[in-house]
Amino acid sequence: KAGVTQTPRYLIKTRGQQVTLSCSPISGHRSVSWYQQTPGQGLQFLFEYFSETQRNKGNFPGRFSGRQFSNSRSEMNVSTLELGDSALYLCASSPFGGDYGYTFGSGTRLTVV
Amino acid sequence: QKEVEQDPGPLSVPEGAIVSLNCTYSNSAFQYFMWYRQYSRKGPELLMYTYSSGNKEDGRFTAQVDKSSKYISLFIRDSQPSDSATYLCAMSGAQGAQKLVFGQGTRLTINP
Repeated sequence: KAGVTQTPRYLIKTRGQQVTLSCSPISGHRSVSWYQQTPGQGLQFLFEYFSETQRNKGNFPGRFSGRQFSNSRSEMNVSTLELGDSALYLCASSPFGGDYGYTFGSGTRLTVV
Repeated sequence: QKEVEQDPGPLSVPEGAIVSLNCTYSNSAFQYFMWYRQYSRKGPELLMYTYSSGNKEDGRFTAQVDKSSKYISLFIRDSQPSDSATYLCAMSGAQGAQKLVFGQGTRLTINP
């Protein structure tokens, strides 16, 4: 059974640019969440989608957005990149969200220069 | 003050020792409690999942939740070098089961 797949694995962007990260959940999982992981702040919740609807959102600025497609695949977008956006972005999936925990992908390492 | 507090370590123990990892939390609305293991350059891997209070055992791992004290623990018996990783506690239920709030993670090294 394939796990959660995130692409790309590594990304280098320039300040002010925008970026789109992709996540394919485990087959049959309808809930997809996104997290930002940094050495200083640890893992922080960005948002969660279920059946193409955002159900929950963390405390991040509006530059961070996401969406989910009808096949449960999800993308997150960060506009007007700042140096502080450099982080590991993790996607996690769950059958319905919250039940029995989430399965994480290996993440996308974003470096903003 | 963070909602979930976890000692970042590092923690170093000899192979075969019993390891105890802990987290405290402040929000009494948390209902779901998890432990994740994260190896370098990998995403977190779910180890244990507990709903509400009580103990749960899975092989060499035991998770305990004490909601009255707002304290959760993970015990690793017969620790192995392959257990060397960062261990993260996580909890949810305060703002929906979907939003996980993580501790900072404890970096654990098991020495052969």
